[in-house]
Amino acid sequence: EAQVTQNPRYLITVTGKKLTVTCSQNMNHEYMSWYRQDPGLGLRQIYYSMNVEVTDKGDVPEGYKVSRKEKRNFPLILESPSPNQTSLYFCASSFSFFGSGANVLTFGAGSRLTVL
Amino acid sequence: DAKTTQPNSMESNEEEPVHLPCNHSTISGTDYIHWYRQLPSQGPEYVIHGLTSNVNNRMASLAIAEDRKSSTLILHRATLRDAAVYYCILRDPITGFQKLVFGTGTRLLVSP
Repeated sequence: EAQVTQNPRYLITVTGKKLTVTCSQNMNHEYMSWYRQDPGLGLRQIYYSMNVEVTDKGDVPEGYKVSRKEKRNFPLILESPSPNQTSLYFCASSFSFFGSGANVLTFGAGSRLTVL
Repeated sequence: DAKTTQPNSMESNEEEPVHLPCNHSTISGTDYIHWYRQLPSQGPEYVIHGLTSNVNNRMASLAIAEDRKSSTLILHRATLRDAAVYYCILRDPITGFQKLVFGTGTRLLVSP
């Protein structure tokens, strides 16, 4: 089944303890991206990647890092999490870059992160 | 910066048509307009997309204004399963080639 898989789905951690949220897709998609969703603010893009070793900032990149060493994986790294990073996170992928043609985003189920 | 504007919420009765508007006056000339929806406790899912002319698929129809600065998602007969938050999505190429703007979306409430 074509899908985007995120782990963990739920995590409670403490301020300053490094964590990684993994994202993997099995569709050979070039484009991958991360979003956070907060009440009243909708979805906001954190980072995106056009292909292996090609990443760029989205709307709210502060406090996050990403890497794209393999085409299928795009982990989101919080080096020193803070309470304001408590949020619902989504990973998504598409065949090619968004905006042209029939490149549809496929989203993961989400990862709910709580930073105490 | 690119921006989408949608009503915060809309209500409908089951079996009635629903028209969900979106203003996207900053859209790039060659970009497609995409609509996604998010059912409760799920990730967003694709609904429909189009460039200039109206589009239909099994889920919905998309009516695009002639100047492309706005679009309307049409659900021809709303069902209870259509209750979700609907987003129109815009690329913001000025600030980033693949920077996407979702906006806050429209929460659709469907009553039996």
